[in-house]
Order: sequence, then C-alpha cells, then structure tokens
Amino acid sequence: KNQVEQSPQSLIILEGKNCTLQCNYTVSPFSNLRWYKQDTGRGPVSLTIMTFSENTKSNGRYTATLDADTKQSSLHITASQLSDSASYICVVSAPTDSWGKLQFGAGTQVVVTP
Amino acid sequence: KAGVTQTPRYLIKTRGQQVTLSCSPISGHRSVSWYQQTPGQGLQFLFEYFSETQRNKGNFPGRFSGRQFSNSRSEMNVSTLELGDSALYLCASSLGYVGQANSPLHFGNGTRLTVT
Repeated sequence: KNQVEQSPQSLIILEGKNCTLQCNYTVSPFSNLRWYKQDTGRGPVSLTIMTFSENTKSNGRYTATLDADTKQSSLHITASQLSDSASYICVVSAPTDSWGKLQFGAGTQVVVTP
Repeated sequence: KAGVTQTPRYLIKTRGQQVTLSCSPISGHRSVSWYQQTPGQGLQFLFEYFSETQRNKGNFPGRFSGRQFSNSRSEMNVSTLELGDSALYLCASSLGYVGQANSPLHFGNGTRLTVT
C-alpha cells in the first residue's frame, strides 16, 4: 500500500480560480514533505519543502500547509494561470540512519482552462 | 548555472539488450539519484550515489545498477531489458543527501526508454 495518497487524481479549473490539492501520508517517522510540479515531458521542479515543525510555506502563488499530527498536507494554488497545468507530486522523506529513501504520491493532474 | 543534463533523451531497445543512461549533475552537487516513472507506478526511487558511493537502493532487481564518477557524473545501467522496463528515467542532483530538508532535488528532463 502506498504510504503517500494524493487527491483528487485530477481536476480541471478555470483560469484565475483557486484550487487545493491534498496529500495524506502514513510514513513514520517523518522528516520532511515536499511538493513538486511536473510539466508534461519535463522533470519535476521543487515548489516547497517543509519539516515536521513547519505549518505553512509559500512559493509565489503556491502555498503548502502541513499538519504533522494528522499527517496531512495541502497545496493551494491562487489565481491559477494556464502555466499551472501540470502534475503536482507530494513526496515524503523518512529519516533513516542514512537519510532514507523518498516516498512518492501518484500525483494530481491539474488542467487550467481559459 | 547549468541544470541537470540527461542523455540520451530518447532510446528504443529490444528485449534482452542492455542500456546505459548518463546524467551530469549541477556543478558542485555531490549527490545523484535515479528514479523510474511509469503511468502505473508513478515515481519510484532507484538508487542514490554520493561521492562515488551508493548510499541507498530502492526495491528494484539487480539488473538495475549504477555508478558515479569522481566528477559526480553518473551512469545507470539496465541489463537484460524487459518490456516492463519501458519508462521515463529521471536523474536528480542535490548538494546534500537525498531526503535532507535543506537539500532540494534538481531533476533533469529524463530519458524516455522504450523496450520492444
């Protein structure tokens, strides 16, 4: 079973509107949570990284929140633009004795329409 | 600063052959990690190299191997290719270890491998 679950699987929004993507994880212990944006045919690009002690982090029109108690994170996109059309991937890092492997969510496919 | 460069961009191989993919990290980055991305499984961690040493390995068969050179450039090799190996293979570099909070991953645009 995947330890990182994202919802919705996909969504379509109108340009200029806001949207929120969800990420629930069961990874424990937990070190940090990342959000990446992946355009079609390109590699993922880092949006935010949050440690367990951080509640929110922004990167331009992207704002990520984290509730380490409930093991939930969200990514809010404000005033969406056509260039926001992409897959958004939630990634959780669990510390091991050697700064372990990453657990990836399946991603949320966002389509912004004019 | 140049980004992460992966070559080749596209590759078509026949089942049973072997393939080598190359990755040049951002200058100064000592960690290089590799990932497989497929529509069914999403992104999966293959392995990480740091200063020429493999630090971590994902749950992939021994047919998948890699190495890192003294200039931090890395290669990934897949032997005895299977149809299921068709995927986008991504390489990422970072200053610190994979997973460290202060060390974001910088991905290349991948090598699209098709096995026929």
